[in-house]
Amino acid sequence: GESVGLHLPTLSVQEGDNSIINCAYSNSASDYFIWYKQESGKGPQFIIDIRSNMDKRQGQRVTVLLNKTVKHLSLQIAATQPGDSAVYFCAENPGGYQKVTFGTGTKLQVIP
Amino acid sequence: EAEVAQSPRYKITEKSQAVAFWCDPISGHATLYWYRQILGQGPELLVQFQDESVVDDSQLPKDRFSAERLKGVDSTLKIQPAELGDSAMYLCASSLSGNEQFFGPGTRLTVL
Repeated sequence: GESVGLHLPTLSVQEGDNSIINCAYSNSASDYFIWYKQESGKGPQFIIDIRSNMDKRQGQRVTVLLNKTVKHLSLQIAATQPGDSAVYFCAENPGGYQKVTFGTGTKLQVIP
Repeated sequence: EAEVAQSPRYKITEKSQAVAFWCDPISGHATLYWYRQILGQGPELLVQFQDESVVDDSQLPKDRFSAERLKGVDSTLKIQPAELGDSAMYLCASSLSGNEQFFGPGTRLTVL
């Protein structure tokens, strides 16, 4: 069936380095993708989104890249900080009021 | 800043008992979602409301779970009877346009 998944379950990075979290999706009809950050004991928090008519979108210290050819999504965090430690989920939205599908998450650990 | 409210934050119950969770979405958000999140996994949609109507409840175990949003504002999710496998985080989210979802802090359910 269609699914959204992540390549790496845990990522450890040194404080100040850049982080890259990857996600593979399989539904070629999806036109909207979201990255969420979830800290321990809290609900997911929206980070950044991207539509399928774009291949790159930048926010504050974060960049999302979309490669529709290989159905791959990545989240880049510049100058990773201890406060970035969390689980990151990519999510796929086919559009409108259809169901959002979440991947299993990548845990980012920032080493001080 | 407007937030999605959920209560209780934590609930411990014995199997076969009934439990209920409450969610108050961000004011004006017509779409409301209930998710279940097992530790280490991404949220899984249980039910989606558009105003007071159910849009998607295909993953809701209807023999024991029920959800309502009678006035199209706040919502209640009920489990009766609770089973050991229901232990999870129950997340509520709301959305204005069906795209970006704002999550509440969740209710952590433990069934003994």
